[in-house]
Amino acid sequence: EPEVTQTPSHQVTQMGQEVILRCVPISNHLYFYWYRQILGQKVEFLVSFYNNEISEKSEIFDDQFSVERPDGSNFTLKIRSTKLEDSAMYFCASNLQGAREAFFGQGTRLTVV
Amino acid sequence: LAKTTQPISMDSYEGQEVNITCSHNNIATNDYITWYQQFPSQGPRFIIQGYKTKVTNEVASLFIPADRKSSTLSLPRVSLSDTAVYYCLVVAGGTSYGKLTFGQGTILTVHP
Repeated sequence: EPEVTQTPSHQVTQMGQEVILRCVPISNHLYFYWYRQILGQKVEFLVSFYNNEISEKSEIFDDQFSVERPDGSNFTLKIRSTKLEDSAMYFCASNLQGAREAFFGQGTRLTVV
Repeated sequence: LAKTTQPISMDSYEGQEVNITCSHNNIATNDYITWYQQFPSQGPRFIIQGYKTKVTNEVASLFIPADRKSSTLSLPRVSLSDTAVYYCLVVAGGTSYGKLTFGQGTILTVHP
Protein backbone atom coordinates (compact mmCIF):
# COMPACT_ATOMS: atom_id res chain seq x y z
CA GLU A 1 0.00 0.00 0.00
CA PRO A 2 1.44 3.41 -0.89
CA GLU A 3 2.32 5.60 2.05
CA VAL A 4 3.54 9.05 2.96
CA THR A 5 7.13 8.92 4.15
CA GLN A 6 8.71 11.42 6.51
CA THR A 7 12.33 11.92 7.48
CA PRO A 8 13.87 12.12 9.93
CA SER A 9 11.69 10.35 12.48
CA HIS A 10 13.26 12.41 15.25
CA GLN A 11 15.17 15.68 15.04
CA VAL A 12 16.84 17.46 17.90
CA THR A 13 17.95 21.01 17.31
CA GLN A 14 19.18 23.94 19.30
CA MET A 15 17.03 26.98 19.80
CA GLY A 16 17.60 29.50 17.05
CA GLN A 17 18.68 26.93 14.47
CA GLU A 18 16.89 26.22 11.22
CA VAL A 19 15.41 22.79 10.51
CA ILE A 20 14.02 21.20 7.40
CA LEU A 21 11.50 18.41 7.73
CA ARG A 22 11.11 16.22 4.69
CA CYS A 23 8.18 14.35 3.29
CA VAL A 24 7.60 12.17 0.27
CA PRO A 25 3.87 12.23 -0.47
CA ILE A 26 2.10 9.44 -2.33
CA SER A 27 3.22 9.71 -5.92
CA ASN A 28 0.00 10.59 -7.74
CA HIS A 29 -1.37 12.89 -5.06
CA LEU A 30 -1.80 16.57 -5.82
CA TYR A 31 -2.57 18.15 -2.44
CA PHE A 32 -0.02 18.32 0.33
CA TYR A 33 -0.32 19.39 3.94
CA TRP A 34 1.63 19.93 7.12
CA TYR A 35 0.16 19.50 10.56
CA ARG A 36 1.69 19.63 14.00
CA GLN A 37 0.78 18.10 17.32
CA ILE A 38 2.28 19.41 20.51
CA LEU A 39 2.57 16.66 23.11
CA GLY A 40 -0.79 15.99 24.71
CA GLN A 41 -2.61 18.44 22.48
CA LYS A 42 -4.71 18.20 19.36
CA VAL A 43 -3.51 17.93 15.80
CA GLU A 44 -3.32 21.41 14.24
CA PHE A 45 -3.40 22.33 10.56
CA LEU A 46 -0.45 24.40 9.40
CA VAL A 47 -0.59 24.70 5.63
CA SER A 48 -1.93 23.20 2.43
CA PHE A 49 -0.08 23.23 -0.86
CA TYR A 50 -1.39 22.67 -4.37
CA ASN A 51 -0.06 23.38 -7.83
CA ASN A 52 3.24 24.59 -6.42
CA GLU A 53 1.81 27.20 -4.17
CA ILE A 54 0.28 27.58 -0.75
CA SER A 55 -3.49 27.27 -1.00
CA GLU A 56 -4.28 27.86 2.65
CA LYS A 57 -2.42 28.45 5.90
CA SER A 58 -3.28 28.80 9.54
CA GLU A 59 -2.34 31.54 11.97
CA ILE A 60 0.41 29.30 13.27
CA PHE A 61 2.12 29.32 9.87
CA ASP A 62 3.83 32.68 10.15
CA ASP A 63 7.03 33.99 8.56
CA GLN A 64 9.07 31.52 10.56
CA PHE A 65 7.70 28.71 8.41
CA SER A 66 7.99 27.96 4.72
CA VAL A 67 7.17 25.03 2.46
CA GLU A 68 8.64 23.91 -0.79
CA ARG A 69 8.31 21.17 -3.33
CA PRO A 70 11.87 21.21 -4.62
CA ASP A 71 11.37 18.34 -7.08
CA GLY A 72 8.68 15.98 -8.23
CA SER A 73 8.69 13.87 -5.09
CA ASN A 74 9.68 15.80 -1.99
CA PHE A 75 7.68 18.26 0.08
CA THR A 76 9.54 20.12 2.80
CA LEU A 77 8.74 22.26 5.81
CA LYS A 78 11.41 24.71 6.88
CA ILE A 79 11.32 26.25 10.32
CA ARG A 80 13.68 29.17 10.78
CA SER A 81 15.07 30.27 14.11
CA THR A 82 13.42 27.50 16.09
CA LYS A 83 11.91 28.19 19.49
CA LEU A 84 11.30 25.86 22.40
CA GLU A 85 7.58 25.96 21.68
CA ASP A 86 8.16 24.56 18.19
CA SER A 87 8.81 21.20 19.81
CA ALA A 88 6.08 18.91 18.49
CA MET A 89 5.25 16.06 16.15
CA TYR A 90 5.01 17.32 12.60
CA PHE A 91 2.85 15.33 10.21
CA CYS A 92 2.84 15.54 6.47
CA ALA A 93 -0.29 14.47 4.58
CA SER A 94 -1.38 14.19 0.99
CA ASN A 95 -4.44 13.32 -1.01
CA LEU A 96 -5.96 13.24 -4.46
CA GLN A 97 -8.28 15.93 -5.68
CA GLY A 98 -11.78 15.06 -4.57
CA ALA A 99 -10.62 12.09 -2.53
CA ARG A 100 -12.39 11.52 0.77
CA GLU A 101 -9.33 10.74 2.82
CA ALA A 102 -6.02 12.32 3.52
CA PHE A 103 -3.04 10.07 4.07
CA PHE A 104 -0.73 11.00 6.90
CA GLY A 105 2.90 10.12 7.40
CA GLN A 106 4.32 8.70 10.60
CA GLY A 107 5.56 12.11 11.66
CA THR A 108 8.80 13.79 12.66
CA ARG A 109 9.29 14.46 16.32
CA LEU A 110 11.05 17.80 16.60
CA THR A 111 12.71 18.61 19.90
CA VAL A 112 14.12 22.09 20.36
CA VAL A 113 16.59 22.39 23.23
CA LEU B 1 -17.00 24.78 10.04
CA ALA B 2 -19.31 23.13 12.54
CA LYS B 3 -17.83 22.44 15.97
CA THR B 4 -17.87 18.82 17.04
CA THR B 5 -18.37 17.43 20.54
CA GLN B 6 -17.50 13.88 21.51
CA PRO B 7 -16.77 12.07 24.78
CA ILE B 8 -13.27 12.55 26.10
CA SER B 9 -12.79 8.87 26.82
CA MET B 10 -14.47 5.48 26.63
CA ASP B 11 -13.62 2.05 27.93
CA SER B 12 -14.56 -1.26 26.40
CA TYR B 13 -13.62 -4.93 26.45
CA GLU B 14 -12.36 -7.15 23.72
CA GLY B 15 -15.13 -8.53 21.55
CA GLN B 16 -17.64 -5.81 22.36
CA GLU B 17 -19.18 -3.37 19.95
CA VAL B 18 -18.22 0.22 20.61
CA ASN B 19 -20.32 3.19 19.61
CA ILE B 20 -18.83 6.68 19.76
CA THR B 21 -21.29 9.50 19.27
CA CYS B 22 -20.37 12.94 18.04
CA SER B 23 -22.57 16.00 17.93
CA HIS B 24 -22.23 18.67 15.25
CA ASN B 25 -25.27 20.86 15.68
CA ASN B 26 -24.22 23.54 13.21
CA ILE B 27 -23.32 21.27 10.31
CA ALA B 28 -23.78 22.92 6.93
CA THR B 29 -25.53 21.46 3.92
CA ASN B 30 -22.35 20.66 2.04
CA ASP B 31 -20.40 19.33 5.03
CA TYR B 32 -19.35 15.69 5.35
CA ILE B 33 -18.75 13.78 8.58
CA THR B 34 -15.39 12.08 8.74
CA TRP B 35 -13.70 9.93 11.36
CA TYR B 36 -10.00 9.42 11.85
CA GLN B 37 -8.06 7.15 14.20
CA GLN B 38 -4.71 7.92 15.78
CA PHE B 39 -2.36 5.58 17.59
CA PRO B 40 0.32 7.02 19.90
CA SER B 41 3.22 8.57 17.99
CA GLN B 42 1.58 7.96 14.63
CA GLY B 43 -0.26 10.11 12.16
CA PRO B 44 -4.05 10.06 11.99
CA ARG B 45 -5.61 7.43 9.75
CA PHE B 46 -8.88 7.82 7.87
CA ILE B 47 -11.61 5.43 9.00
CA ILE B 48 -14.84 6.42 7.31
CA GLN B 49 -16.80 9.31 5.86
CA GLY B 50 -20.49 9.86 5.30
CA TYR B 51 -23.10 12.45 4.42
CA LYS B 52 -26.32 10.88 5.70
CA THR B 53 -27.92 7.54 6.63
CA LYS B 54 -25.47 4.70 7.03
CA VAL B 55 -22.07 3.97 5.62
CA THR B 56 -20.18 0.74 6.22
CA ASN B 57 -16.71 -0.38 5.29
CA GLU B 58 -14.43 -3.19 6.39
CA VAL B 59 -13.44 -1.33 9.55
CA ALA B 60 -16.50 0.47 10.87
CA SER B 61 -20.01 1.74 10.33
CA LEU B 62 -21.15 5.32 10.47
CA PHE B 63 -24.73 6.18 11.35
CA ILE B 64 -26.05 9.63 10.58
CA PRO B 65 -29.65 10.59 11.42
CA ALA B 66 -31.79 12.60 9.07
CA ASP B 67 -31.09 15.93 10.78
CA ARG B 68 -27.32 15.25 10.55
CA LYS B 69 -26.73 17.00 13.86
CA SER B 70 -24.96 13.98 15.25
CA SER B 71 -23.24 10.84 14.07
CA THR B 72 -22.21 7.53 15.61
CA LEU B 73 -19.10 5.58 14.76
CA SER B 74 -19.61 1.90 15.40
CA LEU B 75 -16.66 -0.46 15.79
CA PRO B 76 -17.74 -4.10 15.78
CA ARG B 77 -16.01 -6.57 18.10
CA VAL B 78 -13.09 -4.43 19.18
CA SER B 79 -9.70 -5.85 20.00
CA LEU B 80 -6.81 -4.51 22.07
CA SER B 81 -5.32 -3.04 18.92
CA ASP B 82 -8.31 -0.72 18.56
CA THR B 83 -7.09 1.25 21.56
CA ALA B 84 -6.52 4.69 20.06
CA VAL B 85 -7.87 8.22 19.83
CA TYR B 86 -10.88 8.60 17.52
CA TYR B 87 -11.62 11.96 15.97
CA CYS B 88 -14.92 13.13 14.56
CA LEU B 89 -14.47 15.89 11.99
CA VAL B 90 -16.73 17.93 9.79
CA VAL B 91 -15.22 18.56 6.37
CA ALA B 92 -16.57 20.99 3.83
CA GLY B 93 -17.58 19.28 0.62
CA GLY B 94 -16.03 20.42 -2.63
CA THR B 95 -12.67 21.00 -1.00
CA SER B 96 -9.53 18.94 -1.04
CA TYR B 97 -10.71 17.11 2.11
CA GLY B 98 -7.23 17.44 3.51
CA LYS B 99 -7.56 20.62 5.52
CA LEU B 100 -8.87 19.09 8.68
CA THR B 101 -9.85 20.65 11.99
CA PHE B 102 -9.21 18.17 14.75
CA GLY B 103 -10.74 18.35 18.19
CA GLN B 104 -9.51 16.53 21.26
CA GLY B 105 -11.00 13.24 20.13
CA THR B 106 -12.21 10.27 22.15
CA ILE B 107 -9.61 8.11 23.82
CA LEU B 108 -10.86 4.55 23.47
CA THR B 109 -9.25 2.00 25.75
CA VAL B 110 -9.99 -1.66 25.08
CA HIS B 111 -9.38 -3.99 28.00
CA PRO B 112 -8.71 -7.73 27.85
